[in-house]
Amino acid sequence: NAGVTQTPKFQVLKTGQSMTLQCAQDMNHNSMYWYRQDPGMGLRLIYYSASEGTTDKGEVPNGYNVSRLNKREFSLRLESAAPSQTSVYFCASSEALRVGRFGPGTRLLVL
Amino acid sequence: QKEVEQDPGPLSVPEGAIVSLNCTYSNSAFQYFMWYRQYSRKGPELLMYTYSSGNKEDGRFTAQVDKSSKYISLFIRDSQPSDSATYLCAVNTGNQFYFGTGTSLTVIP
Repeated sequence: NAGVTQTPKFQVLKTGQSMTLQCAQDMNHNSMYWYRQDPGMGLRLIYYSASEGTTDKGEVPNGYNVSRLNKREFSLRLESAAPSQTSVYFCASSEALRVGRFGPGTRLLVL
Repeated sequence: QKEVEQDPGPLSVPEGAIVSLNCTYSNSAFQYFMWYRQYSRKGPELLMYTYSSGNKEDGRFTAQVDKSSKYISLFIRDSQPSDSATYLCAVNTGNQFYFGTGTSLTVIP
């Protein structure tokens, strides 16, 4: 039982490059989330997926796209990375109205 | 107004002290109240959650919710150096979780 896994752990991009962050959970949770965490800003929701086949914008969705590939997997894509997207990205999963479980995070640096 | 407000600290206490961490929230519709602990360069991990007003205890940790004043607290008894971390409060309604910015705690041996 690995919980929530994320790849990669660390990535350096140049401005304008694209990349996809991968997330998978093995707890059979319906809901999955992508957050970014910046100093002094706390955790901010980028996108979430309440259930397989649905996705919704969170607080800071601009510059990102997501795909809920199946019940287990939820990916986050940066089409054209910008320095403002330098952050730590966390994937999480939960049952509706239940608590969330976080992955270990992806540290992204955009130069 | 942010959904959840949390004093960022930092908070520094001697080993064995009682620690009190606090948050306020804005919307009475929030249903679940959670505390997460986050060690440096790690993901948040769930410490405690509660649904109702009142206290919930788990070992040295006590979570307290006062829905009438929209106030949530985490108390740590007999604090240990291993408790040094950032503590985040969170509330949710439906599929939306809202987090405080976190309070950095250092327990000095």
